[in-house]
Amino acid sequence: GAGVSQTPSNKVTEKGKYVELRCDPISGHTALYWYRQSLGQGPEFLIYFQGTGAADDSGLPNDRFFAVRPEGSVSTLKIQRTERGDSAVYLCASSLGVRGSYEQYFGPGTRLTVT
Amino acid sequence: GEDVEQSLFLSVREGDSSVINCTYTDSSSTYLYWYKQEPGAGLQLLTYIFSNMDMKQDQRLTVLLNKKDKHLSLRIADTQTGDSAIYFCAESRGGGFKTIFGAGTRLFVKA
Repeated sequence: GAGVSQTPSNKVTEKGKYVELRCDPISGHTALYWYRQSLGQGPEFLIYFQGTGAADDSGLPNDRFFAVRPEGSVSTLKIQRTERGDSAVYLCASSLGVRGSYEQYFGPGTRLTVT
Repeated sequence: GEDVEQSLFLSVREGDSSVINCTYTDSSSTYLYWYKQEPGAGLQLLTYIFSNMDMKQDQRLTVLLNKKDKHLSLRIADTQTGDSAIYFCAESRGGGFKTIFGAGTRLFVKA
């Protein structure tokens, strides 16, 4: 079956602009995660959803970052007033979302460049 | 803090064993993982261990967990050039969903 997909694969934007990054999880996966990966670093946890609700958003760096998952499937990560420091690869992952189901399936990521 | 720490580089000869080490901070972590990232490919779960285990073997992979010292290691037996990649240690907290990753260990395998 299809894996996790993310669009766009690359996004270049100017400082101060608004961007939206999309994630399509594996069908049937109730848990969805967003991470940010800077060059030479591991994925940094941002937020995870269980169904439509954000179960843990403790990793969002500030109020410019917001994510939604209105129907419990597709999720959008929204970044307002982008800054050069937001440049990174944004990764999405999904999992079955039940205790004991440990494997997160990662998408290919969206490379965001803020100029 | 929230750190999961790993050494940055490891170089081994083909056919040798590789051992990648990791330390984590949260004693309440329920699952500990090893992920692999190859150039142009997404992160892939290699193996995991529950916090109540101290060892897990899966074909060429052996995971050792020392909970007292909060130390996790991944041993790859008979390392091949195809094993060259970045290996990330990760821990799950608070029931298993929030996952914290280390910075990754880049494994170079020399033919």
